[in-house]
Amino acid sequence: KAGVTQTPRYLIKTRGQQVTLSCSPISGHRSVSWYQQTPGQGLQFLFEYFSETQRNKGNFPGRFSGRQFSNSRSEMNVSTLELGDSALYLCASSFSTPTTTYEQYFGPGTRLTVT
Amino acid sequence: QQQVKQSPQSLIVQKGGISIINCAYENTAFDYFPWYQQFPGKGPALLIAIRPDVSEKKEGRFTISFNKSAKQFSLHIMDSQPGDSATYFCAASTSGDDKIIFGKGTRLHILP
Repeated sequence: KAGVTQTPRYLIKTRGQQVTLSCSPISGHRSVSWYQQTPGQGLQFLFEYFSETQRNKGNFPGRFSGRQFSNSRSEMNVSTLELGDSALYLCASSFSTPTTTYEQYFGPGTRLTVT
Repeated sequence: QQQVKQSPQSLIVQKGGISIINCAYENTAFDYFPWYQQFPGKGPALLIAIRPDVSEKKEGRFTISFNKSAKQFSLHIMDSQPGDSATYFCAASTSGDDKIIFGKGTRLHILP
């Protein structure tokens, strides 16, 4: 079974621009979560989607948004990029249902650098 | 407010030794505790996980010990090998909620 894939793997953007990152979950997984990883703050939860609905949201500004498609693929968007948005953005998928938590499997991440 | 506290930040262990990483949590609603291993340039990989109905879980050289009353859990790596050198994250979540709260991570280095 193929793992979680993320595209692109590396991205360089300029302050003020916007960016869209893509995630394809493991086949059969309906839950997709996004995390931001930085040396200072560690791994922080951004949001989670289940069956095209945002089920949970972390403490990030509204510039960070996401969506999920009917095939469970997900995208996250960051508008008006700031230098502090430079991070590794990780996507994770799981077989979780609304009542039961299962293991989350992470993709390799997208390294975003904002200059 | 850091809901999952992890220690130590870094750890150096001789090959063949036991590596021990400790975590403490605050939210008693947490009922799923995974450990992740991350190598440079890679995403975190699930290593082992435990639910609070058991006090210990072992998979190969990796063991989780869980103390529900103290709200603490730990990872033991037996017979540590240089290939175990990585960053380890403890984490916690609640059933039906895929929001994982991670500890700050422990950078483990196994001396050959």
